[in-house]
Amino acid sequence: DAGITQSPRYKITETGRQVTLMCHQTWSHSYMFWYRQDLGHGLRLIYYSAAADITDKGEVPDGYVVSRSKTENFPLTLESATRSQTSVYFCASSESRQGYGYTFGSGTRLTVV
Amino acid sequence: RKEVEQDPGPFNVPEGATVAFNCTYSNSASQSFFWYRQDCRKEPKLLMSVYSSGNEDGRFTAQLNRASQYISLLIRDSKLSDSATYLCVVFQAGTALIFGKGTTLSVSS
Repeated sequence: DAGITQSPRYKITETGRQVTLMCHQTWSHSYMFWYRQDLGHGLRLIYYSAAADITDKGEVPDGYVVSRSKTENFPLTLESATRSQTSVYFCASSESRQGYGYTFGSGTRLTVV
Repeated sequence: RKEVEQDPGPFNVPEGATVAFNCTYSNSASQSFFWYRQDCRKEPKLLMSVYSSGNEDGRFTAQLNRASQYISLLIRDSKLSDSATYLCVVFQAGTALIFGKGTTLSVSS
């Protein structure tokens, strides 16, 4: 089915482990984004990408790594998970340069213990 | 200072009430403006774009005042199904959507 999918939906990991959150979109949108959402902070941008092999830092990039070797995939890796990275992570994609047409995935709820 | 600021609420209103949400943004270079809706920590979904001329979509009216850097959302004849968190969102060129923390609305019968 067309759309944007995130996996896994839920993940529990231990402090210090590496974990990768997956994001896949079927529209061939140029732009993809990772946000995290925490109580008291709202949605904050982690990284974004304007095209394959082009990525940029957002507001809260520390501790995260992204790659975009293919237009449709935008994985987010926590290299050494910390408890402060416990959050809900949303991926989004868009074709617009003006902020229109963002579509979000269903989110990944990550708990770091 | 947060780039997009909203009153977090909660706003508790009865069915049929009119409720207004306000939002301010700090960067005058912001180019595009939106209201998103989010249910119970599900993904945010676009409610409507906001234009300087004001725009309406059924019971929802959005206004933008660029001079005051102020955005508003008015909901008339509130329904139970309007209960959600409403996110004020701005876009700045060269970056991505910037979200406010959201305003929670609870509509009761």
